[in-house]
Amino acid sequence: GNSVTQMEGPVTLSEEAFLTINCTYTATGYPSLFWYVQYPGEGLQLLLKATKADDKGSNKGFEATYRKETTSFHLEKGSVQVSDSAVYFCALSLYNFNKFYFGSGTKLNVKP
Amino acid sequence: DVKVTQSSRYLVKRTGEKVFLECVQDMDHENMFWYRQDPGLGLRLIYFSYDVKMKEKGDIPEGYSVSREKKERFSLILESASTNQTSMYLCASSQPTQPQHFGDGTRLSIL
Repeated sequence: GNSVTQMEGPVTLSEEAFLTINCTYTATGYPSLFWYVQYPGEGLQLLLKATKADDKGSNKGFEATYRKETTSFHLEKGSVQVSDSAVYFCALSLYNFNKFYFGSGTKLNVKP
Repeated sequence: DVKVTQSSRYLVKRTGEKVFLECVQDMDHENMFWYRQDPGLGLRLIYFSYDVKMKEKGDIPEGYSVSREKKERFSLILESASTNQTSMYLCASSQPTQPQHFGDGTRLSIL
């Protein structure tokens, strides 16, 4: 089947620390991969995406590389800010983006 | 920017009531989706629609129905609300081959 597994949170970091949130997937075809972010009281926003193996998605200092050999799409940021505090969702999509599978979400808390 | 608007941010209803959650998008998107979000479970797809009057069941359709009479509007209906339907409900829309855009969610409590 198709599924996404994320590391459990919450993850608590100090400002300017390095962030990694792990994400692995299983898929029956060739998925596109996404990270979405949900700030408190809001819906999900697309953070970045990668549509094929070895692609790197990047946005707002966040990066993730589509690793087919390890079926992973880990989210990284070199220096987090308090404003990055949010819940991060890894997702995969098949069938021309009409069907998405989301991970359970990882809450990030960044302390000043 | 794409705007997906959900009619209520917070809603409190009673067991057995028929509940309507409304979603409107302003970008002429073909596809619309309803998810529920529960702690530790992520987002689970309830129903989606790829055209007016068309719908398909998602992973957890039981106890729900949907209506799409106009392209911009997608309604989720709880036929007879139960306490296990207390949740955050998220609507999304997209064009085929494009990522989904989400509304801000409706937090529904069933008492």
